[in-house]
Amino acid sequence: AQSVAQPEDQVNVAEGNPLTVKCTYSVSGNPYLFWYVQYPNRGLQFLLKYITGDNLVKGSYGFEAEFNKSQTSFHLKKPSALVSDSALYFCAVRDALRGAGKSTFGDGTTLTVKP
Amino acid sequence: GAVVSQHPSRVICKSGTSVKIECRSLDFQATTMFWYRQFPKKSLMLMATSNEGSKATYEQGVEKDKFLINHASLTLSTLTVTSAHPEDSSFYICSARERENYNEQFFGPGTRLTVL
Repeated sequence: AQSVAQPEDQVNVAEGNPLTVKCTYSVSGNPYLFWYVQYPNRGLQFLLKYITGDNLVKGSYGFEAEFNKSQTSFHLKKPSALVSDSALYFCAVRDALRGAGKSTFGDGTTLTVKP
Repeated sequence: GAVVSQHPSRVICKSGTSVKIECRSLDFQATTMFWYRQFPKKSLMLMATSNEGSKATYEQGVEKDKFLINHASLTLSTLTVTSAHPEDSSFYICSARERENYNEQFFGPGTRLTVL
């Protein structure tokens, strides 16, 4: 079985400050990891993914995430937050070999960036 | 990137009626499509997975007779909520994956269903 935990329901940061949205995962095999962002009443937009290779992954809009195998984490980061980054963020995991190609999503973290 | 559309974006219907939601991949062939339901508390629940030309695979607890899924072509999947009731009111999101890009899912913009 595979699972994802986003321990924070809500993250608040001031504009210009660094932000981190946390994600930990559990899979039997090797993980494929994803981050998505959702704006109100919209579908999910892909931000970045880790499949293999470099543990630090860079994605859209200046976001990056670091795959940490020993801590089973894939935290999303950005050096300087913008008010427009305020949205709902989802982490997802898929077992590279098992799971029938289905991704499991975390419950989401609402990021609020204040001016 | 690849684009997935959904229609309608919003629908309001009376209890007991059926509602069809379309999901289209606009610039790629979607060999697999997923249907999700998103609850007010944010979590995304996978309802079913459909592969083109075959029957959908439903997740545990999802009524297949209630939520009819058809994936008739490589660019179109439909979700029909039959005999809708107020508890079916939700945000429904589809996503699609192409054979050549197995690692990515592209999401539609979602459909807000309100059953009166």
